[in-house]
Amino acid sequence: EAQVTQNPRYLITVTGKKLTVTCSQNMNHEYMSWYRQDPGLGLRQIYYSMNVEVTDKGDVPEGYKVSRKEKRNFPLILESPSPNQTSLYFCASSLSWDRASYEQYFGPGTRLTVT
Amino acid sequence: AQSVTQLGSHVSVSEGALVLLRCNYSSSVPPYLFWYVQYPNQGLQLLLKYTTGATLVKGINGFEAEFKKSETSFHLTKPSAHMSDAAEYFCAVSDQGYSTLTFGKGTMLLVSP
Repeated sequence: EAQVTQNPRYLITVTGKKLTVTCSQNMNHEYMSWYRQDPGLGLRQIYYSMNVEVTDKGDVPEGYKVSRKEKRNFPLILESPSPNQTSLYFCASSLSWDRASYEQYFGPGTRLTVT
Repeated sequence: AQSVTQLGSHVSVSEGALVLLRCNYSSSVPPYLFWYVQYPNQGLQLLLKYTTGATLVKGINGFEAEFKKSETSFHLTKPSAHMSDAAEYFCAVSDQGYSTLTFGKGTMLLVSP
């Protein structure tokens, strides 16, 4: 089944403790992206990747890191999480970065709470 | 920069009534336009999209949307609401060249019996 998977689905952590949220897709997609969803703000893009080893900042990149060493994986790293990073995070992928008409497929989401 | 405005954070309808969710965008050139739906505790699912061609686009679950360039709008409609339509709906736009999406803030659709 074609899908985007994220792990963990739920995470409660403390301020400053490094964490990684994994994202993997099995559709051989070039483009991958991370979003955060907050009430009343919709989805905002954190980082995106147009292909392996090519990443760029989205609208709200502060406090996050990403890497794209393999085409299928796009982990989101929080080196020193803070309470304002408490949010619902979505990973998404699309066939190609240069064809905006291609549908983005979303993972199920990761609910992160930082205390 | 692109922006998307969804009018109304919450819309309430009765089962069987018309659903109308509004979306306006700002863009110097016609973008690609999308509607996504998010059911509780789930990810986003594409309802429909407009790229080129016919301006009335039909999607899944009986939804459709019409691209009106003169009004910079892409409103989502469904003739008859069903209880299962209760969800949050997001309008999104992208430049024709790139896959980056800009989302609206979402509209929660509430359907009462």
